[in-house]
Amino acid sequence: AIQLTQSPSSLSASVGDRVTITCRASQGISSALAWYQQKPGKAPKLLIYDASSLESGVPSRFSGSGSGTDFTLTISSLQPEDFATYYCQQFNSYPHHTFGQGTKLEIK
Amino acid sequence: EVQLVESGGGLVQPGGSLRLSCAASGFTFSSYEMNWVRQAPGKGLEWVSYISSSGSTIYYADSVKGRFTISRDNAKNSLYLQMNSLRAEDTAVYYCASPGVVLRYWGQGTLVTVSS
Repeated sequence: AIQLTQSPSSLSASVGDRVTITCRASQGISSALAWYQQKPGKAPKLLIYDASSLESGVPSRFSGSGSGTDFTLTISSLQPEDFATYYCQQFNSYPHHTFGQGTKLEIK
Repeated sequence: EVQLVESGGGLVQPGGSLRLSCAASGFTFSSYEMNWVRQAPGKGLEWVSYISSSGSTIYYADSVKGRFTISRDNAKNSLYLQMNSLRAEDTAVYYCASPGVVLRYWGQGTLVTVSS
């Protein structure tokens, strides 16, 4: 089974900071990767799909890149509403989805 | 507007059963693959099961195979998860999510607690 490892597991940052979260797959998954944002008590929200495609309605400060085994989610200028937990998800072995363990982004 | 509304969660004893439902609206349910995804308290997301739009193709995570059964009723725009032989480690919020590949739509979740 394909494993996804996110780093870091947690991150403290300030409003206005540029933040990068990494997701590494245990084997190549082409561009079959998505990123989700989850706030406490809420369902996950799709941000990025196909590694770099921005979901409709998601602010342009969010971007994704990578292919194969290494992927990144970048937030160019953190806003107060961006403090949440972020998950990567691979669908190369669809329909057996796999999620990363999550990265909790906290206010410094 | 797409809406997915889960129901059926609750407290159940180990070894017990529970049936979750997901009511869909705002889209052509019969055309969409569906999934169940769960999240244990304070933990990450875990995919549980998938069903094709017609219901003819079904997959399960190894952790629930043989104990859980996914099904759908396209006439009622509803998705189901029959959970048998429940264990403490099945305690989680259960979400229905669609479509099949990129999970664009999620319900609000329903909490299942397995405890004596």
